[in-house]
Amino acid sequence: GIQVEQSPPDLILQEGANSTLRCNFSDSVNNLQWFHQNPWGQLINLFYIPSGTKQNGRLSATTVATERYSLLYISSSQTTDSGVYFCAAHLTYSGAGSYQLTFGKGTKLSVIP
Amino acid sequence: DVKVTQSSRYLVKRTGEKVFLECVQDMDHENMFWYRQDPGLGLRLIYFSYDVKMKEKGDIPEGYSVSREKKERFSLILESASTNQTSMYLCASSFGGDVNTIYFGEGSWLTVV
Repeated sequence: GIQVEQSPPDLILQEGANSTLRCNFSDSVNNLQWFHQNPWGQLINLFYIPSGTKQNGRLSATTVATERYSLLYISSSQTTDSGVYFCAAHLTYSGAGSYQLTFGKGTKLSVIP
Repeated sequence: DVKVTQSSRYLVKRTGEKVFLECVQDMDHENMFWYRQDPGLGLRLIYFSYDVKMKEKGDIPEGYSVSREKKERFSLILESASTNQTSMYLCASSFGGDVNTIYFGEGSWLTVV
């Protein structure tokens, strides 16, 4: 199956700093999503981005499908950005009835005041 | 906004008990999923359903079953709870067809003693 690897595993930032999180995947994908899990466990969908670039406020994401990676940018970080960021991918050729997203192990972000 | 509601936030059950985890979504989504999340292992798919009464095994279905009698409701059943099923359980839903944007519930923390 598809392998999804995220880096770095842990990241500590001073409030106001910028950061880039990376997601590499081992095969062609037709679905790539980024999620933020807050300290209470809630997973929030940030981006659905199989290719191209999207922006939402201080967050933006870019997926280069041909090179099998995606990047999540956080600008002017705030303490509320703390938590774990996951990317998840779905293989282009998974076969009929296969709706399985494969998750990376996440990047744990801590933003300190 | 999409709402995925899990019936119990925190549960403590005894070994051997039958446990039901309920999930309801209000967006008329065809696909529903149950994941478990464990430290160091990330999110792993237990079961998913792409229609009423339809179900497919995910990566780790052993010891679990599911029920989808109505489109909006997807139940996870632990037939005989064991301590290695202590985990965070996450329900999710999405529109049908290939995996679209996926929305998660708040999670259920299950402890089996």
